[in-house]
Amino acid sequence: GENVEQHPSTLSVQEGDSAVIKCTYSDSASNYFPWYKQELGKRPQLIIDIRSNVGEKKDQRIAVTLNKTAKHFSLHITETQPEDSAVYFCAASAVDNLFFGTGTRLTVIP
Amino acid sequence: ETGVTQTPRHLVMGMTNKKSLKCEQHLGHNAMYWYKQSAKKPLELMFVYSLEERVENNSVPSRFSPECPNSSHLFLHLHTLQPEDSALYLCASSLQRGKETQYFGPGTRLLVL
Repeated sequence: GENVEQHPSTLSVQEGDSAVIKCTYSDSASNYFPWYKQELGKRPQLIIDIRSNVGEKKDQRIAVTLNKTAKHFSLHITETQPEDSAVYFCAASAVDNLFFGTGTRLTVIP
Repeated sequence: ETGVTQTPRHLVMGMTNKKSLKCEQHLGHNAMYWYKQSAKKPLELMFVYSLEERVENNSVPSRFSPECPNSSHLFLHLHTLQPEDSALYLCASSLQRGKETQYFGPGTRLLVL
């Protein structure tokens, strides 16, 4: 089955700096890659996703890049704010299920 | 948010108890999922229902028993659990099974004593 690895497990940045979270996947058939944000005590929520027919997608301060050849994708958050502090999960969809990474705890220091 | 709801939000049970978790969605989705979220582990898919039919059971112990009476409701029946089953149990739904956005409920925080 699909194996998704996510790094780093924790990340601290100063407010206003950028944050990058990276994921790799194993199944070359995967072609849907969502990112979820989970704030403390809350449910995971989709923040951005990308499909394999594009290499990059951007939504305001958030962007995701995909390299299908290398089987890795990344989340980029620019101009970080304290409210960006949360756990971020990447996922990859192979066949019909989503396989999640282990999560990155992002802390934005004011 | 009221898209996907779960009850109860917190549950403490002994190893000999029987309890049930409930999930409800009124988004018109046809696929529903149970996940287990433990500390420092990925979200673990437990069960998948598509059009009320179970399509996936990821080798989950029989002490967890799912039920999907209709496309809006999903239950997880718990019986003789172990302390290591303590976790956050998340329900999710999507329009169809597969490469679709999944919407999560708030979860049930379960503690097995």
